[in-house]
Amino acid sequence: NAGVMQNPRHLVRRRGQEARLRCSPMKGHSHVYWYRQLPEEGLKFMVYLQKENIIDESGMPKERFSAEFPKEGPSILRIQQVVRGDSAAYFCASSTNRGNKNIQYFGAGTRLSVL
Amino acid sequence: LAKTTQPISMDSYEGQEVNITCSHNNIATNDYITWYQQFPSQGPRFIIQGYKTKVTNEVASLFIPADRKSSTLSLPRVSLSDTAVYYCLVAPDTGRRALTFGSGTRLQVQP
Repeated sequence: NAGVMQNPRHLVRRRGQEARLRCSPMKGHSHVYWYRQLPEEGLKFMVYLQKENIIDESGMPKERFSAEFPKEGPSILRIQQVVRGDSAAYFCASSTNRGNKNIQYFGAGTRLSVL
Repeated sequence: LAKTTQPISMDSYEGQEVNITCSHNNIATNDYITWYQQFPSQGPRFIIQGYKTKVTNEVASLFIPADRKSSTLSLPRVSLSDTAVYYCLVAPDTGRRALTFGSGTRLQVQP
């Protein structure tokens, strides 16, 4: 029973390039969440999606960041024109429908380094 | 959202019981208390969740007093592999589903 799968595990980009982070939720999970973690800090919520819908994007920066969860395929977090401040670990989590007391299961993360 | 307060760090030795207490004075009626564990370079891992009284699973126990303004995660007989950051979260079952992580408690287990 595979858990939440994220790839790549490590991603290096130069300033101005685009970064695409992918997340496949656990089997049977239809809710996906993205979080960002800076060194020595807790995770910060970015966005919550269900299939083909963004439910809550209150934690997403207004520019350069976007997320999608298409009907088929993984969820994608896209960062355009990356800057050094985007360097962080990005974690994806998934959960079942409501009623699971909001327990979220996390992937191993993608570590983005911007040169 | 209810804010949580927990110690920044704790030290223990192998074989000891470790208790990490979290304060959440503003917890709401429909909030659940959830603990996650995070190892370096990994995502958080769900440990245990409770609403009131005591919950126990194969990994830990969670003690919640009647007023629910605090909770204590108990790890029996810790080993070196329990060295990690432990996060206490308070979140409702319905409504907004974004989890709010604080800085957590960094547990260091010594041999």
